[in-house]
Amino acid sequence: QAVVTQEPSLTVSPGGTVTLTCGSSSGAVTNDHYPFWFQQKPGQAPKTLIYDTSNRYSWTPARFSGSLLGGKAALTLSGAQPEDEADYFCLLSYSGPRVFGGGTKLTVL
Amino acid sequence: EGQLVESGGGLVQPGGSLRLSCAASGFTISAHWMSWVRQTPGKGLEWVATIKYDGSEEYYVDSVKGRLTISKDNAKNSLYLQMNSLRVEDTAVYYCDSTPSGLGGRGALVTVSS
Repeated sequence: QAVVTQEPSLTVSPGGTVTLTCGSSSGAVTNDHYPFWFQQKPGQAPKTLIYDTSNRYSWTPARFSGSLLGGKAALTLSGAQPEDEADYFCLLSYSGPRVFGGGTKLTVL
Repeated sequence: EGQLVESGGGLVQPGGSLRLSCAASGFTISAHWMSWVRQTPGKGLEWVATIKYDGSEEYYVDSVKGRLTISKDNAKNSLYLQMNSLRVEDTAVYYCDSTPSGLGGRGALVTVSS
């Protein structure tokens, strides 16, 4: 089973831009991994932000964007807000089975 | 976009059984892959199981193989997770998931304890 890796923690300044990445031990992440991104704020249930690499839901703020970058899935936050402080998890599909990354704790400071 | 609502959680003794349900609305599950994921308090998310849109394929994380079974009833537009031979380490909040809706927002708390 592949291991999915994320940065354990990142810090961004209010109004700044930060990119979270999601890598796979089995090689480059592609659109065929159908990358998902989830956000979980303290004390709340996780919420899906991005599906299939780059698609937002109606509740996903436009400042969040998904992409592939350097062989990894990436979640870019442009114009960080204090309310974006949260844990972010990625999920990759491996032709059926799926694996979550360990999560990135994002601090807006 | 649709919505998913989980139900059926509860307290069960080790070795016991429980059945979780997930009602979908706003989309037809017969056209989509469906999954269960879980989260232990204070920990990250863990993928548990996935079923293909037509029910012809099922996938499980190794730790639940042979004990948990994912199924769906397209007529009821619902997803299920039959949980047998439960262990203390299965204690978690369980969420159902599908692309059209994202994660279910309620979750179902399963506590396995004597």
